Amino acid sequence: DTGVSQDPRHKITKRGQNVTFRCDPISEHNRLYWYRQTLGQGPEFLTYFQNEAQLEKSRLLSDRFSAERPKGSFSTLEIQRTEQGDSAMYLCASSHTPGPGSNQPQHFGDGTRLSIL
Amino acid sequence: DAKTTQPPSMDCAEGRAANLPCNHSTISGNEYVYWYRQIHSQGPQYIIHGLKNNETNEMASLIITEDRKSSTLILPHATLRDTAVYYCIVRVSFGNEKLTFGTGTRLTIIP
Repeated sequence: DTGVSQDPRHKITKRGQNVTFRCDPISEHNRLYWYRQTLGQGPEFLTYFQNEAQLEKSRLLSDRFSAERPKGSFSTLEIQRTEQGDSAMYLCASSHTPGPGSNQPQHFGDGTRLSIL
Repeated sequence: DAKTTQPPSMDCAEGRAANLPCNHSTISGNEYVYWYRQIHSQGPQYIIHGLKNNETNEMASLIITEDRKSSTLILPHATLRDTAVYYCIVRVSFGNEKLTFGTGTRLTIIP
């Protein structure tokens, strides 16, 4: 069990730059989720995919944020024109959910910590 | 999803059972109780979940009251590695895929 893998683990960038994070889910997990966590708070949901389809987006996901999962395997989260408030831990999770009503747990990676200078 | 209430912090002696309470008085019949924990600088780790019956796995036991308005996570023999923030989350069985985290309980295991 290789677990959910996220890359990079840390990213430091200047305000206004674009950044992209990658998430590799557990093999054969059809659902993939992105969360954001700021200091002292629990993770907050951003978006999720079932296979390659993006099915839900939080209002936290402004138009500067875009997520993709082109082949239903790995996913990328891009932030354009970064702002100070984007500094956070970005977490990815995956689950195997065969159908409606399935209660398979989400398994998380260790996140990408983004710092905006 | 129903709101949960947890104490902000707890201490437990190493080797003793750690009992972490959670109130979810507005829980609906189709909502599950999930527990996750987060060790510093790591992502949340799934522990256990249940609907109305008590559950046990290799990590912990989950005790849900008969009226389902509260639950307790039990770590039977706490070790220093169990020091973490523990989150109790209530989630519908389908139709709402996100996990809504609160601020959790910071459990400190004392040597």
